[in-house]
Formats: sequence, structure tokens, C-alpha cells
Amino acid sequence: AQSVTQLDSQVPVFEEAPVELRCNYSSSVSVYLFWYVQYPNQGLQLLLKYLSGSTLVKGINGFEAEFNKSQTSFHLRKPSVHISDTAEYFCAVSVVSAGAQKLVFGQGTRLTINP
Amino acid sequence: SQTIHQWPATLVQPVGSPLSLECTVEGTSNPNLYWYRQAAGRGLQLLFYSVGIGQISSEVPQNLSASRPQDRQFILSSKKLLLSDSGFYLCAWSVLWGIYSTEAFFGQGTRLTVV
Repeated sequence: AQSVTQLDSQVPVFEEAPVELRCNYSSSVSVYLFWYVQYPNQGLQLLLKYLSGSTLVKGINGFEAEFNKSQTSFHLRKPSVHISDTAEYFCAVSVVSAGAQKLVFGQGTRLTINP
Repeated sequence: SQTIHQWPATLVQPVGSPLSLECTVEGTSNPNLYWYRQAAGRGLQLLFYSVGIGQISSEVPQNLSASRPQDRQFILSSKKLLLSDSGFYLCAWSVLWGIYSTEAFFGQGTRLTVV
């Protein structure tokens, strides 16, 4: 079965510092990977996605992620964070089977930016 | 453009009362539809998904049911709510292009408190 592990439940970072949010997945088939962001009491917004092609994926708000097949990882990075990046971040793997697509999410990482 | 509507935004219901949460999608045809639940401090759990009208797949046994009476309408129901049904419920949709998976788009969520 496919699964996603986000290795850090909380990550505190100072403003303008770099950040990396870690994500590992397990899957025996081709995977499609996503990072979503959730602000308080809101739905999820897509940050970026990996479907195929270049393993370095750039998303919105200055975020990027690198797909590493050998390490089954898809870590999210930003070189310089802002207060507004404070939110919950979710890594997800999509598996397509029999015409259905299912997104399996990690437990989330709460990113807190301190001034 | 595609939009997803989910209502109500918040709901407080007594134990043992019925539940009906509705989600509709505009601007797309034959979407895959999903209901997720997010318990406090936890990740997203897939409850139900649907690939077409009347086709519902349940991911976990629980006190809830789902229905899809129209192509772009997805309803989450319960006959008698339990305290453990409290949480943040998110509706989402996605479209498959052949075997390729697109991202899922989320509604703004319904915060359900069972008292």
C-alpha cells in the first residue's frame, strides 16, 4: 500500500532563514507527488507537483521540491521564508488505479516562522 | 474556470442527530470526487471517493456514508452523529487525463463539532 511519511511534525524557523520540510513515500508503482499548504481554517492549496520530467520542481511562493526516486523522497525547500509562510504543509502521493485517483497524505508539518 | 463549493462552513450538532454536508463542482465534467476528514492535529484521512454518478468507494468503516446523485454533486451523510465524528471535512475533485493524474482541488471545508 502507498504511504507518505512527513518526518517532522513541527518546524520552527526564523524569518529569512532557509527551510526544508521532509517527505518520504512508499509505492510500488509510478508515483505522482504533491505538496499542499493549509492556512488556518481553510482548504488546501497546491504548492507544486511532480508528474514526470525534471526532478526539481518549482512551485508558488518561492517553494521548490526535488524528487529523488532512489531515496523515495520529495523534500520541500525555500531559501528564505517569510512570516506569511506560517501554515501547515502536507505531502501527498497520488495513485491511479482502475480509473480512480486517490491522494494519500502525510500527517503534515506545521511551519512556524519567528521574527 | 472550475470552482468547488462546500457548505456549511461551520456546524454544531448534538450527538445522535443526522448530518448532511454538500459539495458541488462547477466548470468540469465527470470529475473524481472525494471526502476527507482532518481531525485536530492530524493529517487528512480519505473517507470516500467517487468516479461517477452512484459510484462510491469507502476507504474506512465508520458512521458516515456518501452519495453522488449528480455528476458534480457529492454528499456526506450520517444518520446518527457520534462525538468522534467531530472534525474538519474537506471535499475535493480531480480529473484524470488518460493515465495521468492531475492535482486535487479542495473546497474551503466544514468544521463539524458534535456536542
